[in-house]
Amino acid sequence: GQQVMQIPQYQHVQEGEDFTTYCNSSTTLSNIQWYKQRPGGHPVFLIQLVKSGEVKKQKRLTFQFGEAKKNSSLHITATQTTDVGTYFCAGWGNQFYFGTGTSLTVIP
Amino acid sequence: DAGITQSPRHKVTETGTPVTLRCHQTENHRYMYWYRQDPGHGLRLIHYSYGVKDTDKGEVSDGYSVSRSKTEDFLLTLESATSSQTSVYFCAISVESARNNEQFFGPGTRLTVL
Repeated sequence: GQQVMQIPQYQHVQEGEDFTTYCNSSTTLSNIQWYKQRPGGHPVFLIQLVKSGEVKKQKRLTFQFGEAKKNSSLHITATQTTDVGTYFCAGWGNQFYFGTGTSLTVIP
Repeated sequence: DAGITQSPRHKVTETGTPVTLRCHQTENHRYMYWYRQDPGHGLRLIHYSYGVKDTDKGEVSDGYSVSRSKTEDFLLTLESATSSQTSVYFCAISVESARNNEQFFGPGTRLTVL
């Protein structure tokens, strides 16, 4: 079946360092969405990308959708303690799949 | 939040008992989803609905059934709970298909099957 994997599974960074999570699908996706889940909370939508090669920015966050529409990345510049949480990619292949998630810990 | 409630929020039950989880929305959105979240697996789609009495299976539908008799309610039933169904269950809604629309999630239900 379709798989959407994310690496790394866990990432610890010092506050102020950059962070990147990578999302890879076994099949082509029609779109990619990114969600953030704070510890003990529920996933919250961050952004959606639809076009091949698309890049979008939200303040310190940069999202990219690969040319082949099978991979994506989220980059956070100068992390803050408020960035703590698990980041999930999600996309529609033959069905809607979430990635395995990357848990970010920011050390003050 | 998007007017989504889940009940119960926590439940402990025994293997073999039936369990029903309820998702209620106040937004009148057409699409509703049930996911389970387990460590290392992210969120996996169980079932979804695209209208009253219109439902379809997701990635991990075995052992689960759903019903949607009203726009605002989407029920998830475990006919005979097993320990492998211990998980956190999230309901989500979207205005249109998740193919092009963000999903709004409920607060989750933590289910433990002993």
